[in-house]
Amino acid sequence: AQKITQTQPGMFVQEKEAVTLDCTYDTSDPSYGLFWYKQPSSGEMIFLIYQGSYDQQNATEGRYSLNFQKARKSANLVISASQLGDSAMYFCATLPFGDTGNQFYFGTGTSLTVIP
Amino acid sequence: DSGVTQTPKHLITATGQRVTLRCSPRSGDLSVYWYQQSLDQGLQFLIQYYNGEERAKGNILERFSAQQFPDLHSELNLSSLELGDSALYFCASSGSTGFHGYTFGSGTRLTVV
Repeated sequence: AQKITQTQPGMFVQEKEAVTLDCTYDTSDPSYGLFWYKQPSSGEMIFLIYQGSYDQQNATEGRYSLNFQKARKSANLVISASQLGDSAMYFCATLPFGDTGNQFYFGTGTSLTVIP
Repeated sequence: DSGVTQTPKHLITATGQRVTLRCSPRSGDLSVYWYQQSLDQGLQFLIQYYNGEERAKGNILERFSAQQFPDLHSELNLSSLELGDSALYFCASSGSTGFHGYTFGSGTRLTVV
């Protein structure tokens, strides 16, 4: 099993500022993926960004970037130029790449509020 | 639209009843996953099906069962419902190649009263 830790239950950020959401994980799997999902109040899970455990470069997707530090087992999400629409719950997740199924392990989430 | 369709979006039912949640995966995806999101347990993996066969099992109660049909849609059956079963139930699907993660449906919000 894997344990995903998101230590910030709630975060506030000023509009147009950058914010970092923390995520650490504990895994013994040699190969895995790291993901961030956004869940707005409407409930759907929206994929934001993916990082493979063997990827050398940090992933970026538009205003989202993933600060991946493999040795520290850390995969923080950086949102640049925050917008009001970024207010939502954010979940970090790992996905071991194995032969016996591909289940996500999710953290408890961080609630982000963007202040105008 | 993610391509994964879940019905119904909302469901209110009484304790002791049985309900069926339905999921149609994204076109071409063979794997279907079910997750439960509750306030006290967070997001929990329930079960995975791949091309009609059960592939992995998580924290799924014995009162719950699922299946994947030949057309690849899946159903999650919840029986003898309890108040604690109130949650958001997600279905997700994935393909065999390409993006390693998967796409979630918009969920079914179940309220047991």
